[in-house]
Amino acid sequence: AQSVTQLDSQVPVFEEAPVELRCNYSSSVSVYLFWYVQYPNQGLQLLLKYLSGSTLVKGINGFEAEFNKSQTSFHLRKPSVHISDTAEYFCAVTDNYGQNFVFGPGTRLSVLP
Amino acid sequence: DAGVTQSPTHLIKTRGQHVTLRCSPISGHKSVSWYQQVLGQGPQFIFQYYEKEERGRGNFPDRFSARQFPNYSSELNVNALLLGDSALYLCASSLIGPDTQYFGPGTRLTVL
Repeated sequence: AQSVTQLDSQVPVFEEAPVELRCNYSSSVSVYLFWYVQYPNQGLQLLLKYLSGSTLVKGINGFEAEFNKSQTSFHLRKPSVHISDTAEYFCAVTDNYGQNFVFGPGTRLSVLP
Repeated sequence: DAGVTQSPTHLIKTRGQHVTLRCSPISGHKSVSWYQQVLGQGPQFIFQYYEKEERGRGNFPDRFSARQFPNYSSELNVNALLLGDSALYLCASSLIGPDTQYFGPGTRLTVL
């Protein structure tokens, strides 16, 4: 069975500072990894995904993530955050069949002025 | 192009009642998945349907059921509602395989 751990439930950071949101997963098969963002009272929006190829993945809004197979991690980073980045961020994993996306519990990013 | 649409937006029911939630996928997507998101938690997988057949089921009781229609839209049904069923119900559509799931805005269900 697959599982996802997001080590930080809340991350406060000042505007224009860098941020890293951590994600670790466990799986016995090949995995495909995703980061989604959820703004208040909205559905989930895809930030970026790793399916294969380069382990450094660039997404929308200046976010990027690095797949590290040996550490089973897929941490999300942004070099300079904006107030508008305040939201809930979810890491998710699926397998070859894509039948079941397993989500982490989420990290609430709060960007302070 | 239209994204994933869900109806209704909000719903209030009482314990023991039945509810039906509806989802229309992105045009061309044949796979629809349903998730339950309780406040403060990540989405939990309920069902996946592809070409009108159930392809996956999460750890939910038999009170939860779903179906997919020939036009690939889908319904999620929940019988004998409990207070604990109060949540945001999310529908996602995708192409087959391990590719991006595109989420709708969700239906907020409140059970009193």
